[in-house]
Amino acid sequence: LAKTTQPISMDSYEGQEVNITCSHNNIATNDYITWYQQFPSQGPRFIIQGYKTKVTNEVASLFIPADRKSSTLSLPRVSLSDTAVYYCLVGDAGTGGFKTIFGAGTRLFVKA
Amino acid sequence: NAGVTQTPKFQVLKTGQSMTLQCAQDMNHEYMSWYRQDPGMGLRLIHYSVGAGITDQGEVPNGYNVSRSTTEDFPLRLLSAAPSQTSVYFCASSSPFRGSGANVLTFGAGSRLTVL
Repeated sequence: LAKTTQPISMDSYEGQEVNITCSHNNIATNDYITWYQQFPSQGPRFIIQGYKTKVTNEVASLFIPADRKSSTLSLPRVSLSDTAVYYCLVGDAGTGGFKTIFGAGTRLFVKA
Repeated sequence: NAGVTQTPKFQVLKTGQSMTLQCAQDMNHEYMSWYRQDPGMGLRLIHYSVGAGITDQGEVPNGYNVSRSTTEDFPLRLLSAAPSQTSVYFCASSSPFRGSGANVLTFGAGSRLTVL
């Protein structure tokens, strides 16, 4: 399983765009990049998944450069309710797909 | 509503007692797993299952047993509870994203366990 590195914490203000970068230098050819969000006292929730280039959904965008050694989760115009822990995971649908290991994540704190 | 259901939501045990945390999913997912999360920490994988009758150990399996007799259910057993097992336990089921990507986990609401 590819190891990921992401900042421990980030602060932002309401209305700003937040970019959280995750490094995964050992990503394998078959690996996908998946991001989860976790609020206090709740289980993580899937945000977005991508393989290359850019993926966008109603919640966030995921930017993946050509070498795929990093990825950036972009949250547009954050609000106080976006305060949460964000996890970056790398794995494929085979051996890594079901033995999913979480890192420490990035604690995002959005201030008014 | 489709999803992962965990019971109980809260439980207090005395050291040495046993109990089972229940987990059920109705999404027909093959893969299920159990995690624990200590205060201020990340999730740690306890056990996982890739299908009925098949289970394997995760990062922190000691003190826990699991079985998978049906696709829907994946109970976690604590045989002799210890204070170190005080934690929030999350059950998850997963399937490949859009049928071909990496697995995406759907989590239950969690079971908060306190061992005195």
